[in-house]
Amino acid sequence: EVQLVQSGAEVKKPGDSLKISCKGSGYIFTDKWIAWVRQMPGKGLEWMGVIYPGDSDTKYSPSFQGQVTISADRSINTAHLQWNSLKASDTAMYYCARLDHYTGSFYFGSWGQGTLVSVSS
Amino acid sequence: QSVLTQPPSVSGAPGQRVTISCTGSNSNIGAGYDVHWYQQLPGTAPKLLIYASNNRPSGVPDRFSGSKSGTSASLAITGLQAEDEGDYYCQSYDISLSVFYVFGTGTRVTVL
Repeated sequence: EVQLVQSGAEVKKPGDSLKISCKGSGYIFTDKWIAWVRQMPGKGLEWMGVIYPGDSDTKYSPSFQGQVTISADRSINTAHLQWNSLKASDTAMYYCARLDHYTGSFYFGSWGQGTLVSVSS
Repeated sequence: QSVLTQPPSVSGAPGQRVTISCTGSNSNIGAGYDVHWYQQLPGTAPKLLIYASNNRPSGVPDRFSGSKSGTSASLAITGLQAEDEGDYYCQSYDISLSVFYVFGTGTRVTVL
């Protein structure tokens, strides 16, 4: 069974750094893209970026380029999302999701449970 | 910003049929890219409901079905049940914004 287990909720102050994680199991971690998706309070889903753990190829949405860093550690089957300097506007639920494909079309087949990040002074 | 437009809300009585539209453009759905649908029940993570326009993952009831035509797609829920109440999102691929994966604005389904 495919599972993506994310790290726990975080409460931070503006200007803090943060790295959250997403551990995959039940499949070959290096064979599938992992995506990060943001959901701000009461809002919809926004794709942030993806990483291919096999070679760490990474693509970002223009809205998030330069704002976050996506990485992966193949040795522990874990993807990360990190911020160098958080803002209050980063307060949101963050989901990781595995990209699956069907006839060349990619979709988010499995999701983590989400990590709630709260940023407040 | 979302480039796929959905109605903010739809509602129906138990047992009824409801549909949710997802309107895109010639840079996403109209360019031939597939549409996928996700269900997000209150307080939970999104879950894949329909992939590649009209395929259901294992475990998803056949009350859920998808279709696509031109620059739009639709999700239909037949035999609406109380447990279907939640938010539904469409998703596709867009070639114009370097965003790659785009989600719809989301639709809240309410069971009356």
